[in-house]
Amino acid sequence: DAGVIQSPRHEVTEMGQEVTLRCKPISGHNSLFWYRQTMMRGLELLIYFNNNVPIDDSGMPEDRFSAKMPNASFSTLKIQPSEPRDSAVYFCASSPSVGRGTDTQYFGPGTRLTVL
Amino acid sequence: AQSVTQLGSHVSVSEGALVLLRCNYSSSVPPYLFWYVQYPNQGLQLLLKYTSAATLVKGINGFEAEFKKSETSFHLTKPSAHMSDAAEYFCAVSPPGYSTLTFGKGTMLLVSP
Repeated sequence: DAGVIQSPRHEVTEMGQEVTLRCKPISGHNSLFWYRQTMMRGLELLIYFNNNVPIDDSGMPEDRFSAKMPNASFSTLKIQPSEPRDSAVYFCASSPSVGRGTDTQYFGPGTRLTVL
Repeated sequence: AQSVTQLGSHVSVSEGALVLLRCNYSSSVPPYLFWYVQYPNQGLQLLLKYTSAATLVKGINGFEAEFKKSETSFHLTKPSAHMSDAAEYFCAVSPPGYSTLTFGKGTMLLVSP
């Protein structure tokens, strides 16, 4: 299996622009997670989906952030408008089951976002 | 609510020395516990996990961790460090019945020749 695929790997944009990050989970996995990693705050869970349905988006910083999962093989995280403080590495992860705390989460390589 | 504390943002060892990375958790119920490793410019990958079976868990690359309920700890060890072990290590906790992870701040392991 190719693992979790994220695109782009790097994104540089200017403040105010819309940014869309993409994720393809491992085939057959039923849970998908979006994380943000910064030096100051470490790894934070932004939102997660079970069977394509958003379950908990309490980690989404504010209304500028939105996430969708239109089907089992694709998810997007959108920031509109972007701000310099959104600069971070964004990870997507997937796991096989729903609601099983024992599952391993498989991480993608991340998207490094820089907002100027 | 679950939380994880990793003592030491950086740990330095010499090649061949014992590696000990500390993790303490806070949870109202016995949780599931994980160690992930992140190499530069890569995503996280699982080293090992405790899922309420054996308290001593063996993982990849010679790492192991012991769940100690009385100490609320899940420290990661390796008898002999290799240069290739240099990476950032994250401890994480998951409450039973939930698929979400709460991560610690991470510990950067530096290995010198």
